[in-house]
Amino acid sequence: SYVLTQPPSVSVAPGQTAIITCGGNNIGSKRVHWYQQEPGQAPLLVLYADRDRPSGIPERFSGSNSGNTATLTISRVEAGDESDYYCQVWDTSSDHAGVFGGGTKLTVL
Amino acid sequence: EVQVVESGGGLVKPGGSLRLSCVASGFTLSSYSMSWVRQAPGKGLEWVSCISSNGDYIYYADSVKGRFTISRDNAKNSVYLQMNSLRAEDTAVFYCARGGSNREFDPWGQGTRVTVSS
Repeated sequence: SYVLTQPPSVSVAPGQTAIITCGGNNIGSKRVHWYQQEPGQAPLLVLYADRDRPSGIPERFSGSNSGNTATLTISRVEAGDESDYYCQVWDTSSDHAGVFGGGTKLTVL
Repeated sequence: EVQVVESGGGLVKPGGSLRLSCVASGFTLSSYSMSWVRQAPGKGLEWVSCISSNGDYIYYADSVKGRFTISRDNAKNSVYLQMNSLRAEDTAVFYCARGGSNREFDPWGQGTRVTVSS
């Protein structure tokens, strides 16, 4: 089965840039989606298809995907960005299945 | 407002059964695939199952295959997850989510908690 690997934690000071990676075999050939989840809340889609933002998501959230790594970049980080972030793809290589990364806890220092 | 609302969670003994429901509003359910995703306490997200817009295609995670059954009733704007032979490791918050054209999940419901314990 397909595996997505995320760093468990990322820390950044307010106003700086946070970069969260999502690694997978040839992930550049797939469309990657990113979710933000605050404690006790349902996940919220913040990027889809590698780099597209749903309505209401700030332009500070951007993404890229190439080779074996997809990236979520949060510019000008704010205290309110402190959350867990998950990447996700749909894998059709063996069986059709949704796949999530293990999640990254973003801490704003 | 586009939203989905789950219900049906609760406390069940190992080996027992539970049926979760997800009611959609604000959009035409018959035009979208729907998925269930779960999150065990303190753990990450785990995709559980997906059903295509007309129910022709159904997929399951290996961890629930043979025990869980997803279904839908577009006339009732509802999606269901029948869970049998429940195990302690099935304890989780179960979320219902609409599938997008790129297989993203949006929106999500608030979740319904399932606890499997004797």
